[in-house]
Amino acid sequence: NAGVMQNPRHLVRRRGQEARLRCSPMKGHSHVYWYRQLPEEGLKFMVYLQKENIIDESGMPKERFSAEFPKEGPSILRIQQVVRGDSAAYFCASSPPGRGALNEQFFGPGTRLTVL
Amino acid sequence: QKEVEQDPGPLSVPEGAIVSLNCTYSNSAFQYFMWYRQYSRKGPELLMYTYSSGNKEDGRFTAQVDKSSKYISLFIRDSQPSDSATYLCAMKQEGGKLIFGQGTELSVKP
Repeated sequence: NAGVMQNPRHLVRRRGQEARLRCSPMKGHSHVYWYRQLPEEGLKFMVYLQKENIIDESGMPKERFSAEFPKEGPSILRIQQVVRGDSAAYFCASSPPGRGALNEQFFGPGTRLTVL
Repeated sequence: QKEVEQDPGPLSVPEGAIVSLNCTYSNSAFQYFMWYRQYSRKGPELLMYTYSSGNKEDGRFTAQVDKSSKYISLFIRDSQPSDSATYLCAMKQEGGKLIFGQGTELSVKP
């Protein structure tokens, strides 16, 4: 049973370009979470999605960032007009449906974004 | 004030030592408490998951939660070089969002 998959593992963008990060949850999982880890900092929650719905986006920056989890295909975290401060490791986690607040979150290997 | 405080270390111990890692938190609404291990340039891996005060043991690992003091701990017995990693505490209320501590970098020397 494959774990959470993220691609690309490394992404380099120049300032002003767009970054698209993909996350395929574990088989049978319908909840996806995105976290960001800045250098020397812990993980910070960004957004929580279920299929076709954003449940909690309280950690998302108000501008340039968006996320989706379509009915078919992976979840996408999109960063428009990237700036150097967006350089970080972005982690996706998934959890199964139907277990409510006890859902355990399983993390992917992360995408390391570098903005030149 | 951060919702979750964790000493970032680094912490260096000899092989075989008992390691104690700790977090404090300020939000009394947190109900679920986790410890993750993260190796360098990898994703976090869930180690322990508790939702009540008291102790939970799994092999060489013991998680302890004291809700009255808003304090959680992870103990590692007979530490091994392979335990060298960053340990992250995390907690949440109802719902999905995890709040993480900064992480403690642990090095176990042979």
